[in-house]
Amino acid sequence: DTAVSQTPKYLVTQMGNDKSIKCEQNLGHDTMYWYKQDSKKFLKIMFSYNNKELIINETVPNRFSPKSPDKAHLNLHINSLELGDSAVYFCASSFGRQPYYEQYFGPGTRLTVT
Amino acid sequence: SQELEQSPQSLIVQEGKNLTINCTSSKTLYGLYWYKQKYGEGLIFLMMLQKGGEEKSHEKITAKLDEKKQQSSLHITASQPSHAGIYLCGAVHWDGAGSYQLTFGKGTKLSVIP
Repeated sequence: DTAVSQTPKYLVTQMGNDKSIKCEQNLGHDTMYWYKQDSKKFLKIMFSYNNKELIINETVPNRFSPKSPDKAHLNLHINSLELGDSAVYFCASSFGRQPYYEQYFGPGTRLTVT
Repeated sequence: SQELEQSPQSLIVQEGKNLTINCTSSKTLYGLYWYKQKYGEGLIFLMMLQKGGEEKSHEKITAKLDEKKQQSSLHITASQPSHAGIYLCGAVHWDGAGSYQLTFGKGTKLSVIP
């Protein structure tokens, strides 16, 4: 029944490591997003993909690389993790490539970099 | 300055009291979303407003869009502990370059005391 799922839910790792977060949606949506929510609860868009095509790429360090193998999946790979990367990362999906469609959010992945 | 300002940042109310949360945009709004987030969980869609003067309700939560003021207010009547959480507004703006952008406010943390 899960609409947008993310794995893992919690991720604790050391500085310098490389990690990936996976996202899958079974809603038939063709647009998927990655958001970062920092310790102050500020939610900021990072990337958006429409039918496997990158359409939004905000000012994010190039250590972050999204990959969309198909329109139901959008994974986030992070290289050389830094302390400042600690945050909750949310995946979302919607119909259409414009953000005025309702977005369905995953439960989030809490990343802690030590 | 932020494109989207939410106020107040936090709110503590007695159960049964009414409350209002405001969201003001510095840019022309195409649409405005209200989401609710419970601690450790993803965002739950409440409603989306697009037309000036539009008002929508979801159970005891009502939101209205004042297009002239570029502002939306979310009103909760007879608050209950189940209303506790973080309320986020998300604004859809036209970026002038052919696409819409969705940005979120910093959220309002609502606590309801039984």
